[in-house]
Amino acid sequence: DVKVTQSSRYLVKRTGEKVFLECVQDMDHENMFWYRQDPGLGLRLIYFSYDVKMKEKGDIPEGYSVSREKKERFSLILESASTNQTSMYLCASSTLQEGVYEQYFGPGTRLTVT
Amino acid sequence: AQKVTQAQTEISVVEKEDVTLDCVYETRDTTYYLFWYKQPPSGELVFLIRRNSFDEQNEISGRYSWNFQKSTSSFNFTITASQVVDSAVYFCALSEDQYSGAGSYQLTFGKGTKLSVIP
Repeated sequence: DVKVTQSSRYLVKRTGEKVFLECVQDMDHENMFWYRQDPGLGLRLIYFSYDVKMKEKGDIPEGYSVSREKKERFSLILESASTNQTSMYLCASSTLQEGVYEQYFGPGTRLTVT
Repeated sequence: AQKVTQAQTEISVVEKEDVTLDCVYETRDTTYYLFWYKQPPSGELVFLIRRNSFDEQNEISGRYSWNFQKSTSSFNFTITASQVVDSAVYFCALSEDQYSGAGSYQLTFGKGTKLSVIP
């Protein structure tokens, strides 16, 4: 079974702090993704990576950066956390299976910025 | 651009009722994939089904069934004899064909439908 893990289920940070959210997958998937989920807005893609050290902006990259130094690990960084970044953050990974990239999700990190 | 619309924001049903969750999509691609995911209160998205655009057969899995209609660009999900454990947020999603470049890596999600099944 594919397993995607996230470093924390719940996190509380103060405004202005640098925040790291870590995601690890154990199935050698080449693609990894970070989404944020807000009520009424669904899932919105922040960044994704299709290879080590490669990254692409998603729909809402402002205020975020990412790092992928190893294939299994994809980090989301909030350089200076703000209250409007309070949200649920979901990580996913994927590989090509039967002609399609099917995504597998981690349990999510609920971040509160105060 | 791709778009997925789940017009029902929240639905409440009484246990054992049938319920249909609607999904309408837009894409210019002739080859694409549609998905349904379930997100229970624990937060993790659970994959339910994948369907490619060439396969318009309806699918049934236990109490779950899916109706794919290309003519109306819809991929609706029906739960028969709903149970309290079906309470969750359900997401419909769309993906391009693998040969569509970087876009094929991504899923376009609808905003989700929150289903509450009342005992």
